[in-house]
Amino acid sequence: DQQVKQNSPSLSVQEGRISILNCDYTNSMFDYFLWYKKYPAEGPTFLISISSIKDKNEDGRFTVFLNKSAKHLSLHIVPSQPGDSAVYFCAASAIKRDDKIIFGKGTRLHILP
Amino acid sequence: NAGVTQTPKFRVLKTGQSMTLLCAQDMNHEYMYWYRQDPGMGLRLIHYSVGEGTTAKGEVPDGYNVSRLKKQNFLLGLESAAPSQTSVYFCASSYRGATYEQYFGPGTRLTVT
Repeated sequence: DQQVKQNSPSLSVQEGRISILNCDYTNSMFDYFLWYKKYPAEGPTFLISISSIKDKNEDGRFTVFLNKSAKHLSLHIVPSQPGDSAVYFCAASAIKRDDKIIFGKGTRLHILP
Repeated sequence: NAGVTQTPKFRVLKTGQSMTLLCAQDMNHEYMYWYRQDPGMGLRLIHYSVGEGTTAKGEVPDGYNVSRLKKQNFLLGLESAAPSQTSVYFCASSYRGATYEQYFGPGTRLTVT
C-alpha cells in the first residue's frame, strides 16, 4: 500500500522551461514533506521541504507547493538546467512520530538541450 | 569531515553467505537509517535507529539485522543472503527525527547469485 505516490516515472523538459514534478499522499497523518534529488551512483541529497502549516516554500529556482485538501504536492524548477537531470524523490513524515520518512518511487527528470 | 561513509562499495555474495555492511557518520547525528533501492521501487526503509543502542524495524526488515553499538556506526547484517536481497543499499543519518535533513552515504551495490 503506497502511502506516497509519484505517478510519473519520468519527465522530459526543455532547458530553460519549467519542470513540474508531482506527488500524492494517502496518509492524513503526514504533515511534513521533503524532496530529495539523486544522481546515478550517488546517494540522494536533500533539496527542499515544507510543513503542512504552509502551502508554499521557495528556495532559489525550486518551489514546493502543498495542497492539503487534495493531499498533493508539487516541485517546480524554474528555469530548468542540464544539471537538474536526476531522479527526484518525494517523501513524507508525521512530525509527532519524529522517526522515519516514507519515500515515493521517484521521478526521473530529463532536461533536454 | 567525511559525512556518511559506507563499506564496502561493491560486493558479490553466493546464496546463503553472510555479510555485514558498515555505515559510519562523523556529524554526531542521533538518527541513522538503512534503505534499499530497487528499480521502480524507490527507497524502502529496512531498519533505523533513534540513538545509540536502539534499533527499530522499517518497511522491509525481513532477512536483515542491525546494531548500533556506537553512536557513529550503524551495521546492517545479512545472515543468509538470498537473490531477492540483490539491491543498492544506502545508509543515512540525521541530527534528529523526520523533519531534519537526512544525509546519505554513496551506497553499496550488493549482488547475490
